[in-house]
Amino acid sequence: NAGVTQTPKFQVLKTGQSMTLQCAQDMNHNSMYWYRQDPGMGLRLIYYSASEGTTDKGEVPNGYNVSRLNKREFSLRLESAAPSQTSVYFCASSLRSDGFTSGANVLTFGAGSRLTVL
Amino acid sequence: GDSVTQMEGPVTLSEEAFLTINCTYTATGYPSLFWYVQYPGEGLQLLLKATKADDKGSNKGFEATYRKETTSFHLEKGSVQVSDSAVYFCALSIKGGSEKLVFGKGTKLTVNP
Repeated sequence: NAGVTQTPKFQVLKTGQSMTLQCAQDMNHNSMYWYRQDPGMGLRLIYYSASEGTTDKGEVPNGYNVSRLNKREFSLRLESAAPSQTSVYFCASSLRSDGFTSGANVLTFGAGSRLTVL
Repeated sequence: GDSVTQMEGPVTLSEEAFLTINCTYTATGYPSLFWYVQYPGEGLQLLLKATKADDKGSNKGFEATYRKETTSFHLEKGSVQVSDSAVYFCALSIKGGSEKLVFGKGTKLTVNP
Protein backbone atom coordinates (compact mmCIF):
# COMPACT_ATOMS: atom_id res chain seq x y z
CA ASN A 1 0.00 0.00 0.00
CA ALA A 2 1.88 3.08 -1.26
CA GLY A 3 -0.38 5.74 0.29
CA VAL A 4 0.34 9.15 -1.27
CA THR A 5 3.02 9.28 -3.97
CA GLN A 6 4.54 12.53 -5.21
CA THR A 7 6.85 13.09 -8.16
CA PRO A 8 9.42 14.44 -8.64
CA LYS A 9 11.18 14.47 -5.26
CA PHE A 10 13.59 17.19 -6.33
CA GLN A 11 13.48 19.77 -9.11
CA VAL A 12 15.51 22.83 -10.05
CA LEU A 13 13.93 25.38 -12.37
CA LYS A 14 14.93 28.69 -13.86
CA THR A 15 12.70 31.71 -13.42
CA GLY A 16 9.90 31.63 -15.98
CA GLN A 17 9.98 27.89 -16.61
CA SER A 18 6.90 25.79 -16.06
CA MET A 19 6.47 22.43 -14.41
CA THR A 20 3.86 20.09 -12.94
CA LEU A 21 4.04 18.26 -9.64
CA GLN A 22 2.20 14.98 -9.73
CA CYS A 23 0.36 13.36 -6.85
CA ALA A 24 -1.49 10.06 -6.66
CA GLN A 25 -3.18 8.22 -3.79
CA ASP A 26 -4.34 4.63 -3.66
CA MET A 27 -6.53 4.80 -0.55
CA ASN A 28 -9.79 5.68 -2.34
CA HIS A 29 -9.80 9.04 -0.55
CA ASN A 30 -12.25 11.71 -1.64
CA SER A 31 -10.32 14.88 -0.79
CA MET A 32 -6.83 15.95 -1.87
CA TYR A 33 -4.66 18.92 -0.97
CA TRP A 34 -1.50 20.75 -1.92
CA TYR A 35 0.51 22.51 0.79
CA ARG A 36 3.80 24.35 0.72
CA GLN A 37 6.24 24.36 3.63
CA ASP A 38 8.60 27.24 4.19
CA PRO A 39 10.97 27.87 7.12
CA GLY A 40 9.20 29.71 9.94
CA MET A 41 5.88 29.60 8.09
CA GLY A 42 4.63 26.10 8.76
CA LEU A 43 2.37 24.59 6.12
CA ARG A 44 0.15 26.76 4.01
CA LEU A 45 -2.66 25.44 1.83
CA ILE A 46 -2.33 26.23 -1.87
CA TYR A 47 -5.33 24.42 -3.37
CA TYR A 48 -7.58 21.58 -2.40
CA SER A 49 -10.13 19.31 -4.00
CA ALA A 50 -12.95 18.23 -1.74
CA SER A 51 -14.11 15.62 -4.23
CA GLU A 52 -13.47 14.48 -7.77
CA GLY A 53 -14.37 17.24 -10.20
CA THR A 54 -14.04 20.14 -7.75
CA THR A 55 -11.11 22.37 -6.81
CA ASP A 56 -10.89 25.40 -4.54
CA LYS A 57 -8.29 27.97 -3.60
CA GLY A 58 -6.52 27.81 -0.30
CA GLU A 59 -4.48 30.42 1.51
CA VAL A 60 -1.74 31.00 -1.11
CA PRO A 61 -3.06 30.09 -4.61
CA ASN A 62 -1.39 32.82 -6.67
CA GLY A 63 1.00 31.49 -9.30
CA TYR A 64 -0.41 27.97 -9.21
CA ASN A 65 -3.04 25.91 -10.97
CA VAL A 66 -4.37 22.47 -10.16
CA SER A 67 -6.14 19.63 -11.89
CA ARG A 68 -8.08 16.82 -10.23
CA LEU A 69 -7.56 14.38 -13.06
CA ASN A 70 -9.58 11.60 -11.45
CA LYS A 71 -10.23 10.38 -7.93
CA ARG A 72 -6.63 9.19 -7.53
CA GLU A 73 -4.64 12.06 -9.02
CA PHE A 74 -4.24 15.73 -8.17
CA SER A 75 -1.55 17.74 -9.97
CA LEU A 76 -0.09 21.16 -9.19
CA ARG A 77 1.21 23.33 -12.03
CA LEU A 78 3.53 26.30 -11.94
CA GLU A 79 3.04 28.15 -15.24
CA SER A 80 5.90 30.64 -14.82
CA ALA A 81 8.08 29.80 -11.85
CA ALA A 82 9.41 32.55 -9.59
CA PRO A 83 12.11 32.40 -6.89
CA SER A 84 9.38 33.00 -4.28
CA GLN A 85 8.02 29.56 -5.19
CA THR A 86 11.15 27.86 -3.90
CA SER A 87 9.71 25.57 -1.25
CA VAL A 88 8.91 22.03 -0.24
CA TYR A 89 5.54 20.96 -1.58
CA PHE A 90 3.37 18.34 0.08
CA CYS A 91 0.39 16.57 -1.34
CA ALA A 92 -2.12 15.06 1.06
CA SER A 93 -5.40 13.19 0.92
CA SER A 94 -8.26 12.41 3.28
CA LEU A 95 -11.28 10.18 3.32
CA ARG A 96 -13.78 12.93 4.10
CA SER A 97 -17.22 12.20 2.62
CA ASP A 98 -19.11 14.92 0.84
CA GLY A 99 -22.24 16.10 2.55
CA PHE A 100 -21.30 14.75 5.95
CA THR A 101 -18.99 16.23 8.50
CA SER A 102 -16.85 13.67 10.22
CA GLY A 103 -15.38 16.16 12.63
CA ALA A 104 -11.93 14.61 12.37
CA ASN A 105 -10.45 15.12 8.92
CA VAL A 106 -7.24 13.09 9.13
CA LEU A 107 -4.79 13.78 6.32
CA THR A 108 -2.25 11.36 4.88
CA PHE A 109 0.79 13.13 3.44
CA GLY A 110 3.24 12.32 0.71
CA ALA A 111 6.99 12.53 1.28
CA GLY A 112 7.31 15.96 -0.33
CA SER A 113 8.81 17.56 -3.42
CA ARG A 114 11.66 20.03 -2.97
CA LEU A 115 11.55 22.74 -5.65
CA THR A 116 14.25 25.34 -6.20
CA VAL A 117 13.68 28.24 -8.59
CA LEU A 118 16.83 30.12 -9.60
CA GLY B 1 -9.88 33.86 10.70
CA ASP B 2 -9.01 30.48 12.12
CA SER B 3 -5.44 30.18 13.34
CA VAL B 4 -3.08 28.11 15.45
CA THR B 5 -0.23 29.45 17.56
CA GLN B 6 2.38 27.12 18.93
CA MET B 7 5.51 27.76 20.92
CA GLU B 8 8.53 28.62 18.89
CA GLY B 9 11.48 26.33 18.92
CA PRO B 10 13.82 24.88 18.69
CA VAL B 11 13.43 22.82 21.84
CA THR B 12 16.40 20.77 23.00
CA LEU B 13 16.02 18.18 25.76
CA SER B 14 17.97 15.33 27.25
CA GLU B 15 16.66 11.80 26.98
CA GLU B 16 13.99 10.97 29.59
CA ALA B 17 13.12 14.64 30.15
CA PHE B 18 9.52 15.87 30.27
CA LEU B 19 8.19 17.54 27.15
CA THR B 20 5.53 20.22 26.76
CA ILE B 21 4.82 22.00 23.50
CA ASN B 22 2.17 24.68 23.87
CA CYS B 23 -0.57 25.18 21.30
CA THR B 24 -3.47 27.63 21.36
CA TYR B 25 -6.07 28.23 18.71
CA THR B 26 -8.57 30.77 17.44
CA ALA B 27 -11.64 29.44 15.67
CA THR B 28 -15.09 30.70 14.82
CA GLY B 29 -16.69 27.26 15.04
CA TYR B 30 -16.01 24.08 17.00
CA PRO B 31 -12.74 22.69 15.72
CA SER B 32 -11.18 19.29 15.81
CA LEU B 33 -7.58 19.49 16.98
CA PHE B 34 -4.55 17.53 15.85
CA TRP B 35 -0.86 17.04 16.41
CA TYR B 36 1.17 15.96 13.41
CA VAL B 37 4.83 14.94 13.48
CA GLN B 38 7.41 15.26 10.72
CA TYR B 39 10.56 13.16 10.99
CA PRO B 40 13.63 14.31 9.03
CA GLY B 41 13.18 13.95 5.28
CA GLU B 42 9.61 12.70 5.54
CA GLY B 43 6.08 13.99 5.17
CA LEU B 44 3.80 14.73 8.09
CA GLN B 45 1.98 11.96 9.88
CA LEU B 46 -0.82 12.11 12.40
CA LEU B 47 0.33 11.75 16.00
CA LEU B 48 -2.97 12.24 17.85
CA LYS B 49 -6.29 14.02 17.64
CA ALA B 50 -9.29 15.20 19.68
CA THR B 51 -12.68 16.12 18.30
CA LYS B 52 -14.50 17.74 21.23
CA ALA B 53 -13.88 19.59 24.45
CA ASP B 54 -12.22 17.59 27.26
CA ASP B 55 -11.22 14.80 24.87
CA LYS B 56 -7.70 13.49 25.38
CA GLY B 57 -5.75 12.26 22.40
CA SER B 58 -2.84 9.90 23.01
CA ASN B 59 -0.32 7.92 21.01
CA LYS B 60 3.25 6.64 21.47
CA GLY B 61 3.37 8.11 25.00
CA PHE B 62 2.29 11.57 23.82
CA GLU B 63 -0.90 13.15 25.15
CA ALA B 64 -2.89 16.31 24.55
CA THR B 65 -6.19 17.43 26.07
CA TYR B 66 -8.70 19.63 24.24
CA ARG B 67 -9.32 22.60 26.59
CA LYS B 68 -12.13 24.76 25.29
CA GLU B 69 -11.99 27.22 28.19
CA THR B 70 -8.36 28.09 27.44
CA THR B 71 -8.54 27.30 23.68
CA SER B 72 -5.48 25.10 24.06
CA PHE B 73 -4.20 21.68 23.02
CA HIS B 74 -0.76 21.33 24.59
CA LEU B 75 1.36 18.30 23.69
CA GLU B 76 3.06 16.42 26.54
CA LYS B 77 5.26 13.39 26.98
CA GLY B 78 6.63 12.20 30.29
CA SER B 79 9.95 10.80 29.08
CA VAL B 80 11.29 11.66 25.63
CA GLN B 81 13.60 9.48 23.58
CA VAL B 82 16.17 10.33 20.93
CA SER B 83 13.78 8.85 18.37
CA ASP B 84 11.24 11.60 19.21
CA SER B 85 13.46 14.20 17.55
CA ALA B 86 11.24 15.73 14.87
CA VAL B 87 9.14 18.77 14.03
CA TYR B 88 5.71 18.85 15.68
CA PHE B 89 2.75 20.69 14.18
CA CYS B 90 -0.47 21.61 15.91
CA ALA B 91 -3.48 21.91 13.58
CA LEU B 92 -7.23 22.44 13.56
CA SER B 93 -10.11 21.76 11.25
CA ILE B 94 -13.53 23.32 11.51
CA LYS B 95 -16.54 21.04 11.38
CA GLY B 96 -18.63 21.75 8.33
CA GLY B 97 -17.46 23.38 5.14
CA SER B 98 -14.34 21.99 3.57
CA GLU B 99 -12.67 20.81 6.81
CA LYS B 100 -9.28 21.76 5.47
CA LEU B 101 -6.55 21.87 8.08
CA VAL B 102 -4.92 25.02 9.43
CA PHE B 103 -1.43 24.39 10.78
CA GLY B 104 0.78 26.12 13.29
CA LYS B 105 4.33 26.99 12.29
CA GLY B 106 5.86 23.90 13.83
CA THR B 107 8.20 23.27 16.76
CA LYS B 108 11.47 21.48 16.21
CA LEU B 109 12.41 19.08 19.00
CA THR B 110 15.90 17.66 19.42
CA VAL B 111 16.50 15.00 22.06
CA ASN B 112 20.10 14.33 23.04
CA PRO B 113 21.31 11.04 24.52
